[in-house]
Amino acid sequence: EVQLVESGGGLVQPGGSLRLSCAASGFTFSSYAMGWVRQAPGKGLEWVSDITGSGGTTFHADSVKGRFTISRDNSKNTLYLQMSSLRAEDTAVYYCTYQKGGNPAAVDIWGQGTMVTVSS
Amino acid sequence: DIVMTQSPDSLAVSLGERATINCKSSQSVLYSSNNKNYLAWYQQKPGQPPKLVINWASTRESGVPDRFSGSGSGTDFTLTISSLQAEDVAVYYCQQYYSIPTTFGGGTKVEIK
Repeated sequence: EVQLVESGGGLVQPGGSLRLSCAASGFTFSSYAMGWVRQAPGKGLEWVSDITGSGGTTFHADSVKGRFTISRDNSKNTLYLQMSSLRAEDTAVYYCTYQKGGNPAAVDIWGQGTMVTVSS
Repeated sequence: DIVMTQSPDSLAVSLGERATINCKSSQSVLYSSNNKNYLAWYQQKPGQPPKLVINWASTRESGVPDRFSGSGSGTDFTLTISSLQAEDVAVYYCQQYYSIPTTFGGGTKVEIK
């Protein structure tokens, strides 16, 4: 069974940094694209970043380009999102996503999410 | 970017009745080389992550009840719940994955009348 478990969320001041992690299990991690989608409180879904199975190619939404970096460690079956220069509008639940179809693709499995709150 | 527009924002349907949700894309998400529509539907219940229910516009995911169906092509799509059950109360989102950035519709909240 595919499982995705996010961690690393919390309260951070504007301008601060945070690194999210997503531990994956139940599938051959290095073979599949992964990503992050966020959802602000009471709002809809917004794609943030994607990465290919090898980690060789990454994609970021314009709203986070230059501030967020997606990466993966295939030896640890873990996906990361390094977030810097955080803004109030980055406040959201961040979901780790697994996409069998590549980039872009439908999200087959979502993690439970980790909350990031940017506030002073 | 492809803009996804869902309608209505919310709807209330009696148990056992049909619920219909529409999704329109600002450009076609039909890939001519394989004749596939790059369109998915998700169900999100309160306090839970979204769950994929329909892929390729009309392919129901394993384990999804057959009262859920997807239709449409090109720019206009529909998710239909043929006989609404209490457990179907949720927000439903469409998503295009034809091009990056992948984009989602604003969501449609389905409630019991």
